[in-house]
Amino acid sequence: DARVTQTPRHKVTEMGQEVTMRCQPILGHNTVFWYRQTMMQGLELLAYFRNRAPLDDSGMPKDRFSAEMPDATLATLKIQPSEPRDSAVYFCASGSGQRAPVSTDTQYFGPGTRLTVL
Amino acid sequence: AQSVSQHNHHVILSEAASLELGCNYSYGGTVNLFWYVQYPGQHLQLLLKYFSGDPLVKGIKGFEAEFIKSKFSFNLRKPSVQWSDTAEYFCAVSPLDNTDKLIFGTGTRLQVFP
Repeated sequence: DARVTQTPRHKVTEMGQEVTMRCQPILGHNTVFWYRQTMMQGLELLAYFRNRAPLDDSGMPKDRFSAEMPDATLATLKIQPSEPRDSAVYFCASGSGQRAPVSTDTQYFGPGTRLTVL
Repeated sequence: AQSVSQHNHHVILSEAASLELGCNYSYGGTVNLFWYVQYPGQHLQLLLKYFSGDPLVKGIKGFEAEFIKSKFSFNLRKPSVQWSDTAEYFCAVSPLDNTDKLIFGTGTRLQVFP
């Protein structure tokens, strides 16, 4: 049963520290998404990739957040420096990216990384 | 701007009661529609989806949803809920002209009491 995996599952850090979250998409999926979930804002799309190329990172604070895909099996989300307001659950999702003639793409979510910044 | 509205923020039911969760979207074009469920402490899982065809879609665990195009709605239903259905439910849409993106509603928290 193919699944999206994320590490770490939990991270507690102090303000100012660098945080790196990792995601392994489902093998063969070519779209990868990063979401942030908070009580106040719900689920927000931070960034996403298609075939490892970043397509949209408009939801991400550029000054401290960065997202990359070093290879097809790994996506990373970094926060440097971290702030208490970054405390949230960060979800990665992947999809097959099927489009033509009609998209039937579905996103599959990982278990999330619960980040607490003190 | 595209948006998804879930008007029920918190629903409390007894076991065996019927459930209907509202979802309305704002978008002029064709969309794909989804319901995701998030059980306590877990990640989002796909409950059901609509791409085309029969507007009444059946998903896992006895859930179904009906797409009513004229009302821009995709309400989730279950005739008889169980305690194990306690979770948060998210409606999401994906515009066909940008199917990479999922636009989520704010979610509805369902609590089912025995």
